[in-house]
Amino acid sequence: GAVVSQHPSWVICKSGTSVKIECRSLDFQATTMFWYRQFPKQSLMLMATSNEGSKATYEQGVEKDKFLINHASLTLSTLTVTSAHPEDSSFYICSARLGTVAGYTFGSGTRLTVV
Amino acid sequence: DQQVKQNSPSLSVQEGRISILNCDYTNSMFDYFLWYKKYPAEGPTFLISISSIKDKNEDGRFTVFLNKSAKHLSLHIVPSQPGDSAVYFCAASGGNTPLVFGKGTRLSVIA
Repeated sequence: GAVVSQHPSWVICKSGTSVKIECRSLDFQATTMFWYRQFPKQSLMLMATSNEGSKATYEQGVEKDKFLINHASLTLSTLTVTSAHPEDSSFYICSARLGTVAGYTFGSGTRLTVV
Repeated sequence: DQQVKQNSPSLSVQEGRISILNCDYTNSMFDYFLWYKKYPAEGPTFLISISSIKDKNEDGRFTVFLNKSAKHLSLHIVPSQPGDSAVYFCAASGGNTPLVFGKGTRLSVIA
């Protein structure tokens, strides 16, 4: 089946630094990938839709200058959290869709802790 | 405004009994519904889905029921096993829109 690889699985960074999270579709091409954020005991909230070769579409309330998304190839999307602050600490998950809506596959997630 | 609601944050069930997880939605444009299982520090894994043209879909121990008039769906797990203990997310989609998730229900199956 379709596999989405996300890296790193966890990262600790200092406040003010930037962190890059990678999401790769391993055995299929994904023109669209999705980035979600999950706070403890909360739902997965869609942050942005990443489109290969074009600008990402951000959900309302998500700062595009803070959460930079690049989808440079059909198998790789990256999320960079710029000038990270403790409130950015969260669980970030990417997803890609293969075929029908039932074909959503999720990465294993990245636990970001900003200290 | 939450379009997908899972009103029970947690559920405890004895091993061998039935687990029933509920989900309500408000957007009548949703036409496909999915259940995901999630362990801590991992991404969600697909469990079972149902299209709005059906009212039931069964896969082994897992059955999803859809009541369109009530905008309600439920996931039944029978018999429940300790390995089923996880957080279960209900998700919905309409056309080509991204998935919208509920807040999840933490299921604990007690041996």
